[in-house]
Amino acid sequence: DADVTQTPRNRITKTGKRIMLECSQTKGHDRMYWYRQDPGLGLQLIYYSFDVKDINKGEISDGYSVSRQAQAKFSLSLESAIPNQTALYFCATSDSGPTDTQYFGPGTRLTVL
Amino acid sequence: QKEVEQNSGPLSVPEGAIASLNCTYSDRGSQSFFWYRQYSGKSPELIMSIYSNGDKEDGRFTAQLNKASQYVSLLIRDSQPSDSATYLCAVEKAAGNKLTFGGGTRVLVKP
Repeated sequence: DADVTQTPRNRITKTGKRIMLECSQTKGHDRMYWYRQDPGLGLQLIYYSFDVKDINKGEISDGYSVSRQAQAKFSLSLESAIPNQTALYFCATSDSGPTDTQYFGPGTRLTVL
Repeated sequence: QKEVEQNSGPLSVPEGAIASLNCTYSDRGSQSFFWYRQYSGKSPELIMSIYSNGDKEDGRFTAQLNKASQYVSLLIRDSQPSDSATYLCAVEKAAGNKLTFGGGTRVLVKP
């Protein structure tokens, strides 16, 4: 089984709809991250969490919210989806050691019409 | 200026040749540096990490770090068609902090 899973893998929705993307991990890591990827722009950090009680905004948090339900679960919500949120979304985890090797989930392709 | 910059490519190399990828970063306090490989439609996977000046070799991959000049590079020796992917450079500003990614360099290895 994959260490980091994301659901759904693909989603098409309409402008104004609320969407939740879910991430689960079995690696036992404390730290979890949400990124979005647009063509040619690399990965942009949306939110990150260093433990269950710690939530931090990343570079592009506007229009997004997150919930850390447990050490293993980190969800990303789009309260009112808009077309420019169409992108590939990745969840990642890392341990709390001195370096920050991140392990990525398979991604969710989101299309907002 | 972007915090982490890479040439978007594509970098086209013949099979068996050396592919050389460069990455520059703006924050002199950056401490840890990573190269991720990403196949089209797939998630990034870590291939190299480097923390101190100099070279670090792992199989056909060599990472080179020069903190004074604020660049990190990746060499892929004996390039294979399976190396065709986008290579993402990532920089960590301080130990235990978050990563900043470059836009990636697309590499095409032609048989």
